[in-house]
Amino acid sequence: DAGVIQSPRHEVTEMGQEVTLRCKPISGHDYLFWYRQTMMRGLELLIYFNNNVPIDDSGMPEDRFSAKMPNASFSTLKIQPSEPRDSAVYFCASTPGAANGELFFGEGSRLTVL
Amino acid sequence: KQEVTQIPAALSVPEGENLVLNCSFTDSAIYNLQWFRQDPGKGLTSLLLIQSSQREQTSGRLNASLDKSSGRSTLYIAASQPGDSATYLCAVSGFAGNNRKLIWGLGTSLAVNP
Repeated sequence: DAGVIQSPRHEVTEMGQEVTLRCKPISGHDYLFWYRQTMMRGLELLIYFNNNVPIDDSGMPEDRFSAKMPNASFSTLKIQPSEPRDSAVYFCASTPGAANGELFFGEGSRLTVL
Repeated sequence: KQEVTQIPAALSVPEGENLVLNCSFTDSAIYNLQWFRQDPGKGLTSLLLIQSSQREQTSGRLNASLDKSSGRSTLYIAASQPGDSATYLCAVSGFAGNNRKLIWGLGTSLAVNP
């Protein structure tokens, strides 16, 4: 398997624009996570899904952020409208449903909002 | 509320040294603890996962220990090499079931000098 695949790897946009980040989890993994990483706050869990259903979205900072998982092989994280403080690296990760819980990360999407 | 602390924040050692990275957590009711490695500009790679019933895990030159009662884990790296230079993060998860939320430390940035 190719691992967790994220796109784009880098995105530079202007304040107010819509941003869509994409993730393909490892096939067969039942859980998918979206994280945000900044120097100041480290890794923050935004939302996670189990079998395509959102389980915990308490980390989504505000209504400008939304995430969907229309099927087991694809998820999106959307920011609309984007703001400079959204600049960060966004990671997608997946894990199998078994209780072991080992987490597999994508390479991340580095977002810069000007 | 679970909090995870990693000390030191940064560490620089000469090649060949054995070293210890520390991770502490405030709530001993954990399901497992994981150690990850992150290279600059990359995603995170899982190194070791210790279930709450275990005391340690080993992989090659890495050994991770867990003492739930004191809320501590250590990552021991034997005979360090320049290729070990990276940021090391630990994360703990709560009880099993549908809870897959990890609480993260801010990491220890390790530099191994040739």
